[in-house]
Amino acid sequence: EAGVVQSPRYKIIEKKQPVAFWCNPISGHNTLYWYLQNLGQGPELLIRYENEEAVDDSQLPKDRFSAERLKGVDSTLKIQPAELGDSAVYLCASSGWSRDTQYFGPGTRLTVL
Amino acid sequence: AQKVTQAQTEISVVEKEDVTLDCVYETRDTTYYLFWYKQPPSGELVFLIRRNSFDEQNEISGRYSWNFQKSTSSFNFTITASQVVDSAVYFCALSEASTDSWGKLQFGAGTQVVVTP
Repeated sequence: EAGVVQSPRYKIIEKKQPVAFWCNPISGHNTLYWYLQNLGQGPELLIRYENEEAVDDSQLPKDRFSAERLKGVDSTLKIQPAELGDSAVYLCASSGWSRDTQYFGPGTRLTVL
Repeated sequence: AQKVTQAQTEISVVEKEDVTLDCVYETRDTTYYLFWYKQPPSGELVFLIRRNSFDEQNEISGRYSWNFQKSTSSFNFTITASQVVDSAVYFCALSEASTDSWGKLQFGAGTQVVVTP
């Protein structure tokens, strides 16, 4: 069974440029999560989807970050415009109906110059 | 307030030594889950173990074991006979069962384990 797929794995951009990350969850998993992981820290939840509905986006900086999961399967996280402080790893995870265990993708490492 | 505390920043051991990672959590919920994840240099978080708040039975799974004590709010994790491939950052995480928080993982800062041959 395929795991959570994320792309790209690495992205280098200049500040003020837009960037997008893509995630495809494990087949059949209806819950999808985006996490931000700063260097030397644990991941922090940005947004959680139940199917196509964003049920927890309280930690998402909505002035520059946006996310979508239009068909309730794959998802895109966007930053526009990127700032230097956005340099981090962006992790996607998914879980089944019980939401008891989350399985993570390899992450996208963003560097903003 | 931080809900998951991993006081150990880094632990270095020689291969075949045992490694115990400490985790202390804070919650008012009576129903919750505790997790350990491993993050090797490749970056992917790998699920290791899960424990719910109603089951304090400690178990062993291969070289992994855990000690869950609600009285001290601790969920410690041990790797027996460590190997070089165990070198990674290990995260303890908490998921509370209240409606708003269910499914939201709250991670500790992680403990870097370095196993040398």
